[in-house]
Amino acid sequence: LAKTTQPISMDSYEGQEVNITCSHNNIATNDYITWYQQFPSQGPRFIIQGYKTKVTNEVASLFIPADRKSSTLSLPRVSLSDTAVYYCLVVTNRDDKIIFGKGTRLHILP
Amino acid sequence: DSGVTQTPKHLITATGQRVTLRCSPRSGDLSVYWYQQSLDQGLQFLIQYYNGEERAKGNILERFSAQQFPDLHSELNLSSLELGDSALYFCASSVVGDLLDTQYFGPGTRLTVL
Repeated sequence: LAKTTQPISMDSYEGQEVNITCSHNNIATNDYITWYQQFPSQGPRFIIQGYKTKVTNEVASLFIPADRKSSTLSLPRVSLSDTAVYYCLVVTNRDDKIIFGKGTRLHILP
Repeated sequence: DSGVTQTPKHLITATGQRVTLRCSPRSGDLSVYWYQQSLDQGLQFLIQYYNGEERAKGNILERFSAQQFPDLHSELNLSSLELGDSALYFCASSVVGDLLDTQYFGPGTRLTVL
């Protein structure tokens, strides 16, 4: 399983774009990058998944450079309700479990 | 609302006791996962079932067991409870159990062992 490294915490302000970078140096050919969001005392919620280049949905964008050793989750114009823990995962259907890690605690300030 | 339901919402019990946590997956999902989340350990994968059969095992203690029934609901049994078992227990479900599937998490059961 490819290990991921992401910042422990980040602060930003309402209305700003937030970029959270995740490092996954040992990513393998069949691995995908997936991000989940977790609010306090709630279960994680899927945000986005990608393999290479750029993926965008109604919530976020995921940027993956050509070497795939890192990825960046971009949240446009955050609000107070985006305060949560964000988990970067590397997943493949070759493995038998997902490792969530510690995540990045994002705090949005007014 | 993810469509995954878990009962009970809260559970308070004493050391040495046994409890059962219940999970109903989203309609149509065949796979169920159990996770434990405590403050010091983060979110830990325990076990996965797919269509009634155990598919993957994580950091699940021998005192813990789970099963998935024909109607696809799942139960996690925790026995000989210790103080350190106090945690949030999440159930998640996915369509086919491939790890690339999106997992939909339930609201969790908060277990307190006194």
